[in-house]
Amino acid sequence: DAGITQSPRHKVTETGTPVTLRCHQTENHRYMYWYRQDPGHGLRLIHYSYGVKDTDKGEVSDGYSVSRSKTEDFLLTLESATSSQTSVYFCAISESGGEQFFGPGTRLTVL
Amino acid sequence: GNSVTQMEGPVTLSEEAFLTINCTYTATGYPSLFWYVQYPGEGLQLLLKATKADDKGSNKGFEATYRKETTSFHLEKGSVQVSDSAVYFCALSDTQWSNAGKSTFGDGTTLTVKP
Repeated sequence: DAGITQSPRHKVTETGTPVTLRCHQTENHRYMYWYRQDPGHGLRLIHYSYGVKDTDKGEVSDGYSVSRSKTEDFLLTLESATSSQTSVYFCAISESGGEQFFGPGTRLTVL
Repeated sequence: GNSVTQMEGPVTLSEEAFLTINCTYTATGYPSLFWYVQYPGEGLQLLLKATKADDKGSNKGFEATYRKETTSFHLEKGSVQVSDSAVYFCALSDTQWSNAGKSTFGDGTTLTVKP
């Protein structure tokens, strides 16, 4: 299995609070991704990174920011969480931009 | 832009039945095609892939053939088991500069296999 972990695995927070999710890889893969998965919407790309300090927006980036200061870590920040951001968040990595390896997911609940 | 359309679910089959999940795609470049599987409470896992036309990907009894003429990548298995119950995602990635590094996923098809 690809070495990819996410933390925390579960989080409950209140509307308006900042939240940071962490994705950590031990594979030295170039690409890293953040997705959210919601019933009826499949998998939607939030942001992705193609190298250290190189990031780009996905289809649902509003309300989210990311940072990648090291190859192995990709952080997703919700500056001010809203109930619409309640979701399951998946991190993924890819060596070449083709096949992706997914983390176990973080279940976030915003009350 | 790129898109992936897969068969709507849910799909319910009896054990040992034949499985087909249809997937068609639209892409501007020369995509690689993938099937991922997601078991309850887990992340997606790569099931199989094909990188060029007429390639057949296979794994764990599942197969899919990259058909450029019909822009399809249908997933098949001859005899499903209860343990195959999961959500299946068709996806593509292409090499066009504007899409480099990104994949496009279908909405997923939920398969339930009953004993």
